[in-house]
Amino acid sequence: GQNIDQPTEMTATEGAIVQINCTYQTSGFNGLFWYQQHAGEAPTFLSYNVLDGLEEKGRFSSFLSRSKGYSYLLLKELQMKDSASYLCAVRDGAGNNRKLIWGLGTSLAVNP
Amino acid sequence: SAVISQKPSRDICQRGTSLTIQCQVDSQVTMMFWYRQQPGQSLTLIATANQGSEATYESGFVIDKFPISRPNLTFSTLTVSNMSPEDSSIYLCSVDNPGMNTEAFFGQGTRLTVV
Repeated sequence: GQNIDQPTEMTATEGAIVQINCTYQTSGFNGLFWYQQHAGEAPTFLSYNVLDGLEEKGRFSSFLSRSKGYSYLLLKELQMKDSASYLCAVRDGAGNNRKLIWGLGTSLAVNP
Repeated sequence: SAVISQKPSRDICQRGTSLTIQCQVDSQVTMMFWYRQQPGQSLTLIATANQGSEATYESGFVIDKFPISRPNLTFSTLTVSNMSPEDSSIYLCSVDNPGMNTEAFFGQGTRLTVV
């Protein structure tokens, strides 16, 4: 079956670092995505990993280990505006058979 | 990148009626994806719409309840038929490119409340 697990909720302090983990078991793998979603808004793209290792983009980094079915999103220098839901998604299939499998999301609360 | 205009942004509907949601993309795309996101939940794929062919529905979703049109490469509609309060949700359309390293883009979403 298809399964993506991530923590339901996390809390962190402004200025700190937080790591949001995601484990996946999918029938296929063509990349892993992280999205940010503020309440009442559509998801916005944060990062993409298809090869093992770390991808860094400003305050956000994402890591992938395909052998372990594991990824994490690292947020540095947290700001209040980072309070949002963070969604992990795996692309399964390719061409016209591709689709994204979504985790349930991690609700991050950044406190002053 | 792709910009998607989705409307309506929200609606309140009576049970038993139908609502059609429209998505217009600023570029030609082969596939469009329709999602439902219930309160506090993640995205659930309803169906994938290819131009010129019938939509492919995910388990638990049927064409009679969620008919989809895809008349050209920039436009699609999703109809929520014979609505009940359980259909209250956010509905999102999405596109991507078939290349490996391209992300999905989303419309602004339609917040539907059925009373």
